[in-house]
Amino acid sequence: GAVVSQHPSWVICKSGTSVKIECRSLDFQATTMFWYRQFPKQSLMLMATSNEGSKATYEQGVEKDKFLINHASLTLSTLTVTSAHPEDSSFYICSARDRVSPNEQFFGPGTRLTVL
Amino acid sequence: RKEVEQDPGPFNVPEGATVAFNCTYSNSASQSFFWYRQDCRKEPKLLMSVYSSGNEDGRFTAQLNRASQYISLLIRDSKLSDSATYLCVVNAGGKLIFGQGTELSVKP
Repeated sequence: GAVVSQHPSWVICKSGTSVKIECRSLDFQATTMFWYRQFPKQSLMLMATSNEGSKATYEQGVEKDKFLINHASLTLSTLTVTSAHPEDSSFYICSARDRVSPNEQFFGPGTRLTVL
Repeated sequence: RKEVEQDPGPFNVPEGATVAFNCTYSNSASQSFFWYRQDCRKEPKLLMSVYSSGNEDGRFTAQLNRASQYISLLIRDSKLSDSATYLCVVNAGGKLIFGQGTELSVKP
């Protein structure tokens, strides 16, 4: 099956720093990538949808200036959490969709962010 | 009201038990439906799609009632390895909407 990787798998940072998370599709071209956030004991919440070469579409309540998304190639999307604060501590998961199976999303293993 | 609502958990069952999870969704225009499984601190993994005619995959049976906007998952002969959180997921307009999940713990 299609493989999606994320890096780093976990990160601990100080409040006020920025953190970049990478999401890569390893064996297919991801025309669309999705970024989710999951707080403990809660569901995955879609943050934004990014299409290769265009600006991301953010869900209501997600600050686009705080969560910068770049989808510069068909195999890579990045999420940068700018000026991270403790309330941004969460599990961030990306998923990717390709042209061949547009109804299916392939999930990355997630990145656990802890902001001190 | 949440877009996708699931049974509150956790469900604690003995090995070999049959367990059923229920889910309702609010968007009548939803196009496709899934059950995902999520282990602790891991990403969700697709368990099975759900079709209107109902579908079965080994010990797992999924049902969909579009009129009632209701989805179910039945697990028969539960195994210790079935312990996880089960997520009801609805595709609406190309976006996946996740329920909050129901935790299942299968005990020896």
